[in-house]
Amino acid sequence: SQTIHQWPATLVQPVGSPLSLECTVEGTSNPNLYWYRQAAGRGLQLLFYSVGIGQISSEVPQNLSASRPQDRQFILSSKKLLLSDSGFYLCAYTGTAYTEAFFGQGTRLTVV
Amino acid sequence: ILNVEQSPQSLHVQEGDSTNFTCSFPSSNFYALHWYRWETAKSPEALFVMTLNGDEKKKGRISATLNTKEGYSYLYIKGSQPEDSATYLCAPKGYGGSQGNLIFGKGTKLSVKP
Repeated sequence: SQTIHQWPATLVQPVGSPLSLECTVEGTSNPNLYWYRQAAGRGLQLLFYSVGIGQISSEVPQNLSASRPQDRQFILSSKKLLLSDSGFYLCAYTGTAYTEAFFGQGTRLTVV
Repeated sequence: ILNVEQSPQSLHVQEGDSTNFTCSFPSSNFYALHWYRWETAKSPEALFVMTLNGDEKKKGRISATLNTKEGYSYLYIKGSQPEDSATYLCAPKGYGGSQGNLIFGKGTKLSVKP
């Protein structure tokens, strides 16, 4: 069966510190992978997506970056966090263009 | 950048009422239209994936239609129950021919009072 793991569940980081959130998928190959963020009072914003290893598309300019070092691993990073990076981060994957997305459990990031 | 509009932003109904929401998008140039249900403190869960103009999908009391020519999709809930309370999200998949992207609207937040 297919599963998606995302960690950590919660994170409190000081301004200026680095960030690394990891997402892994099991049970499928060559998935489309996604990072979303929900800021307070806002909708679900697409940050990055990847259709293959090393292929990253950015939807919104920001101080975040994403990498896909392996087929089923997607990493969201920042070198220096800003207060505005606080929010709820979700990783997701789809199998094909015509199948639904499955989401991880999310990471609540608070930058202090 | 694709702008996906959902209306209304929020909706308060009584148990037993039927309701519907709208998802509108400026172009039919995408692979599929997705609907998700997002409960508080949980992750979004897929309801429907629709691909063709005129598609209609149904799951229990919830159904959806897709009109790609005029650029909208409707989600219907018949006989709302308190457990239907959630935010309902729509998202075109692969907008502009870019197969990967999946861009969500801001959602409609439904509250069903017993």
